[in-house]
Amino acid sequence: ESVLTQSPGTLSLSPGERATLSCRASQSVGSNYLAWYQQKPGQAPRLLIHDASSRASGIPERFSGSGSGTDFTLTISRLEPEDFAVYHCHQYGYGRDTFGQGTRLEIK
Amino acid sequence: QVQLVQSGAEVKKPGASVKVSCRASGFTFTSYDIEWVRQVPGQGFEWMGWMNANNGNTGYVQKFQGRVTMTRDTSISTAYMELSSLRSEDTAVYYCARYDTRQRNAFDIWGQGTMVTVSS
Repeated sequence: ESVLTQSPGTLSLSPGERATLSCRASQSVGSNYLAWYQQKPGQAPRLLIHDASSRASGIPERFSGSGSGTDFTLTISRLEPEDFAVYHCHQYGYGRDTFGQGTRLEIK
Repeated sequence: QVQLVQSGAEVKKPGASVKVSCRASGFTFTSYDIEWVRQVPGQGFEWMGWMNANNGNTGYVQKFQGRVTMTRDTSISTAYMELSSLRSEDTAVYYCARYDTRQRNAFDIWGQGTMVTVSS
């Protein structure tokens, strides 16, 4: 089983700043089937990015994904107040799905 | 509106079973896999397995083999996840999500979650 490790555990930034979140896999992610989700308290996750770098429908352009193999990054170019949440990465597509433990993005 | 609507919260005693439902609307239910994921409060997600809503084929994570059963009723576009021999460690929010095996664009629609509490 491939383990996904997200860093940092918590990221403290101010609105308008740039956020960079990391997700590292213990084994290469097949076909770069790596997704990112946003989760707010008491809510279901919301898909942001799939295939490592494709924005899901309706997701603002300030969210971007990059990376391949074992190292992936979610970047939020200019933080809006509604972006403060927990972000999860997820590898999928081959029946051996795993998730990272999450990165909490909090207001500084 | 494309959505998955899950059944309400459950409280169960250790050793009991729970069956969570997930009703699809706004899309063709049988064109997708339904995935089940759980989240212990304050922790990350744990994938439990998948079910092809068209033919009912399933795949379960080894950890849950023998305790989990995923089924569906296509006449009402509803998927079910039953977990038996419950223990306190099964206390979590259980989510269903849809996955298009052709587009492979991850879990794009999620249910609202069902809290299952296992307590004596």
